[in-house]
Amino acid sequence: DAGVIQSPRHEVTEMGQEVTLRCKPISGHDYLFWYRQTMMRGLELLIYFNNNVPIDDSGMPEDRFSAKMPNASFSTLKIQPSEPRDSAVYFCASSLELRLADYNEQFFGPGTRLTVL
Amino acid sequence: QKEVEQNSGPLSVPEGAIASLNCTYSDRVSQSFFWYRQYSGKSPELIMSIYSNGDKEDGRFTAQLNKASQYVSLLIRDSQPSDSATYLCAVYTGGFKTIFGAGTRLFVKA
Repeated sequence: DAGVIQSPRHEVTEMGQEVTLRCKPISGHDYLFWYRQTMMRGLELLIYFNNNVPIDDSGMPEDRFSAKMPNASFSTLKIQPSEPRDSAVYFCASSLELRLADYNEQFFGPGTRLTVL
Repeated sequence: QKEVEQNSGPLSVPEGAIASLNCTYSDRVSQSFFWYRQYSGKSPELIMSIYSNGDKEDGRFTAQLNKASQYVSLLIRDSQPSDSATYLCAVYTGGFKTIFGAGTRLFVKA
């Protein structure tokens, strides 16, 4: 299994530019999560989807951030316009449907390191 | 108060010693607890999960949970330099939301 795939691995852009991060979850997984990790704030959940439907986007910091999941094998996180404080590592993770008294282990992708100048 | 708190470290232990990592959480309805390991520049990976009070052992790793004290810990026996990483405590409170601590950096000296 290829695992969770993210692209690009590194992105350097200038303030005000649009940034699009991409994620392909593990085939068959029902849930997809977008996280942001910084030294100051740690790993923060931005949004998650179940069967392609956004369930909780309360972690999305501002209207500049948006996420979509047009099908079961693809999701995007877009920042428009980008700002230097958006610099972070963005992780995508996926998991199977939660069963009673079980935990849906989240499998993380390699992350996208975003630098906004 | 943060929902999941960890000492950021670094925690430095000699090779072969026991490393003890601690975590406290604020939500009493938290259901499940996890430890993820993250090597520098890599993504987090799950190493331990615990759901009930007490100890759970897996190889050199032991997770300990005390729900009354809202405390969870991870012990690493016979620490190896390859254990040097950041360890993230994670708490599942339902609604498919997992809250992560900021992590404790562990350094095992050879």
